[in-house]
Amino acid sequence: EVQLVESGGGLIQPGGSLRLSCAASGFTVSNNYMSWVRQAPGKGLEWVSVIYSDGRTYYADSVKGRFTISRDNSNNTLYLQMNSLRAEDTAVYYCARLLYFDYWGRGTLVTVSS
Amino acid sequence: DIVMTQSPDSLAVSLGERATINCKSSQSVLYSSNNKNYLAWYQQKPGQPPKLLIYWASTRESGVPDRFSGSGSGTDFTLTISSLQAEDVAVYYCQQYYSTLLTFGPGTKVDIK
Repeated sequence: EVQLVESGGGLIQPGGSLRLSCAASGFTVSNNYMSWVRQAPGKGLEWVSVIYSDGRTYYADSVKGRFTISRDNSNNTLYLQMNSLRAEDTAVYYCARLLYFDYWGRGTLVTVSS
Repeated sequence: DIVMTQSPDSLAVSLGERATINCKSSQSVLYSSNNKNYLAWYQQKPGQPPKLLIYWASTRESGVPDRFSGSGSGTDFTLTISSLQAEDVAVYYCQQYYSTLLTFGPGTKVDIK
């Protein structure tokens, strides 16, 4: 059974850093496209970043240069390193599989506030 | 970036009636080499992650009831719920995966009239 479990969210001050993790089971992260998608409170879905099976990465303009997506093949885990956080980065962050997202985690809440 | 728009923003439909949601992309998401439209639809209920309903514009995900159908090509797409059930109350999003920068529509809220 495919499962995705995010962790690492919390309250962080503006300008701070946070690393999110997404532990996968039931499939191999490195063989798939994997994305992070976020949803600000009461708002719609915003795609954040993707990593391809060949290692290529792409980012939304809103996070480019501040966020880094990566994976650990030995732990079958996806990561999102978030630096220079802003209030507008406050959201539930989901990890999802493929380019049309067939599996999603439950999400982890990131709150950027002083 | 490919900009996705949806209409209407919200709609209320009587139980058993048809609900139709439109999605438009700012450029074609039809890939000519395989004749596939890189367009998906999701349903999201409060407090839950989104659920994939339709991909390749018209392929229903396994387990999705057949009252949900997708149609369209190029830049104009439609999600139809043929007979609205109470459990279909949700927000529906379209998403393109044609570009390396993926984008969602703003969402359409569906309620019971």
